[in-house]
Amino acid sequence: DVVMTQSPLSLPVTLGQPASISCRSSQSLVHSDRNTYLNWFQQRPGQSPRRLIYKVSNRDPGVPDRFGGSGSGTEFTLKISRVEAEDVGVYYCMQTTHWPGTFGQGTKLEI
Amino acid sequence: QVQLQESGPGLVKPSETLSLTCTVSGGSMSDYYWSWIRQPPGKGLEWIGYIYYMGTTNYNPSLNNRVTISIDTSKKQFSLKLKSVTAADTAVYYCARGQRGYIYWGQGTLVTVSS
Repeated sequence: DVVMTQSPLSLPVTLGQPASISCRSSQSLVHSDRNTYLNWFQQRPGQSPRRLIYKVSNRDPGVPDRFGGSGSGTEFTLKISRVEAEDVGVYYCMQTTHWPGTFGQGTKLEI
Repeated sequence: QVQLQESGPGLVKPSETLSLTCTVSGGSMSDYYWSWIRQPPGKGLEWIGYIYYMGTTNYNPSLNNRVTISIDTSKKQFSLKLKSVTAADTAVYYCARGQRGYIYWGQGTLVTVSS
């Protein structure tokens, strides 16, 4: 299975400041169809996960533009340009290039 | 707006079969993949498997052939069966739409394995 390693696992941030989460995969996530199936999810306390980003850098409808995804191959990053109170929660990367799909351990963002 | 709702027993005895159903509303099941994902209490997410609306399936090998996912498009439902459960199968089980990315999720249902 592809191992997804996130860092940091805990991210204390200040309101209005930027935040960055790293996600590394144990093998390249470039699919034979040339897409890279790397997703980012946000899970607020007591809620279901919500997809923020798909295929590395595509923001889902309704996701604020302060969230941005980047990366390639085996290294990916989720950046929040200015953290707001509603961003508190756990963030997961997930690859679905290779089966089984696998998630990172999660990064807990705290204000 | 597509909505998904999990249903099923919240308590299952060890060695028995866990059975959950996901009901889809607000959209068609055709042309989509439908997935199950779980999350043990206080832990991370684990992909269980998916089914295409026409019936093709793909399961996580880590579940050791204990999983079956089925679909009934006429009822707009798909189902999960996990046999021979143990305490390690205690988790919130989510249904979601998609194969490689999951934009629509159910609210999740907690299933506890205990005698």
